[in-house]
Amino acid sequence: SQELEQSPQSLIVQEGKNLTINCTSSKTLYGLYWYKQKYGEGLIFLMMLQKGGEEKSHEKITAKLDEKKQQSSLHITASQPSHAGIYLCGADKTGGYQKVTFGTGTKLQVIP
Amino acid sequence: DGGITQSPKYLFRKEGQNVTLSCEQNLNHDAMYWYRQDPGQGLRLIYYSQIVNDFQKGDIAEGYSVSREKKESFPLTVTSAQKNPTAFYLCASSIIGSAYEQYFGPGTRLTVT
Repeated sequence: SQELEQSPQSLIVQEGKNLTINCTSSKTLYGLYWYKQKYGEGLIFLMMLQKGGEEKSHEKITAKLDEKKQQSSLHITASQPSHAGIYLCGADKTGGYQKVTFGTGTKLQVIP
Repeated sequence: DGGITQSPKYLFRKEGQNVTLSCEQNLNHDAMYWYRQDPGQGLRLIYYSQIVNDFQKGDIAEGYSVSREKKESFPLTVTSAQKNPTAFYLCASSIIGSAYEQYFGPGTRLTVT
């Protein structure tokens, strides 16, 4: 079973709409990371969250880590076709920053 | 330009053959990683290495082997023992202790028939 569950698995939104992707862990995490992957390519690191309640923004993408450090949400405001791709959360389970466990991924399509 | 290269982009092999996927980086990173990506399962770690001549198994190492003879190179061999080798393989590298900020290659899509 996956240790990091993402929801929804896929999402189709109209350009200009807001959307939210969730990442849930059954265990408390040392760190939670978000990545974006264009279809058939490698991942690009977006941001890292470490403290409970922490919120970070990158352009029109905002991510938050809950107080218990077991769930994170990624919110995109006024989506654009350039936001399309697969969003993956990742987590540090051991605290040593040596490796990342990835979530199941959310496929986002933005319709012009 | 610094980055990670993986070759080839697409690879086709017959069942029972071993195949080696190339991964080269010129970012001067000590840590390198190999992942497998299947639809609906995100990325799963196969092997990782933090220093030359040393590497550790990830979550799904069975049927795979790696070597790290040079800092810049971390080739992955998919052996005939791997039961379901058809997948998208991604290589990444990072600074030691900064695994969250990995730099990824473009990936190799392996199809075994």
